[in-house]
Amino acid sequence: SQTIHQWPATLVQPVGSPLSLECTVEGTSNPNLYWYRQAAGRGLQLLFYSVGIGQISSEVPQNLSASRPQDRQFILSSKKLLLSDSGFYLCAWSAGFETQYFGPGTRLLVL
Amino acid sequence: QKEVEQDPGPLSVPEGAIVSLNCTYSNSAFQYFMWYRQYSRKGPELLMYTYSSGNKEDGRFTAQVDKSSKYISLFIRDSQPSDSATYLCAMSARETSGSRLTFGEGTQLTVNP
Repeated sequence: SQTIHQWPATLVQPVGSPLSLECTVEGTSNPNLYWYRQAAGRGLQLLFYSVGIGQISSEVPQNLSASRPQDRQFILSSKKLLLSDSGFYLCAWSAGFETQYFGPGTRLLVL
Repeated sequence: QKEVEQDPGPLSVPEGAIVSLNCTYSNSAFQYFMWYRQYSRKGPELLMYTYSSGNKEDGRFTAQVDKSSKYISLFIRDSQPSDSATYLCAMSARETSGSRLTFGEGTQLTVNP
């Protein structure tokens, strides 16, 4: 069966510091991968998606970037965090257009 | 106008009640319809998925799709306190690049014992 991992689970970072969140998927090959952000009490905002190694599409221009160095690894990064980057970050994978499966999420607080 | 509109809630019901959660959509290209359940501080969990008009049942949960009216619903029978969560509807179209989903904003449900 497929499993999706995210780490860290929680992160508190100062403004201006760098960020690296990691997501890995097990049990499937060539998945589509997604990064979402969810503000408290709000819906999901798609940040990036990837259909293959090195292929990144950005949905929202912002302070973040994404990379996919391996087939089942997706990384969300920032060089300098802003207060507005605080939120709940979710990674998801899909095999096609029918459904997506989410990881446990990373709660980021920028102070 | 958003492509997917979801009843915002919050919704509070007594244990044992029948709950109806609803979404409307405007994009007639949507073919696949999903409901996710999200507990506080957790990732969304796929609850039900369907691609045809009509009803799909899974235990206490029934997903209903009416493509002619562009309307989907999730019914929860005999609701339990453990059903307290935020419910997100989502939908997709085959030709969407990256197989992206379009989500509703979510409905927060509380089932009171």
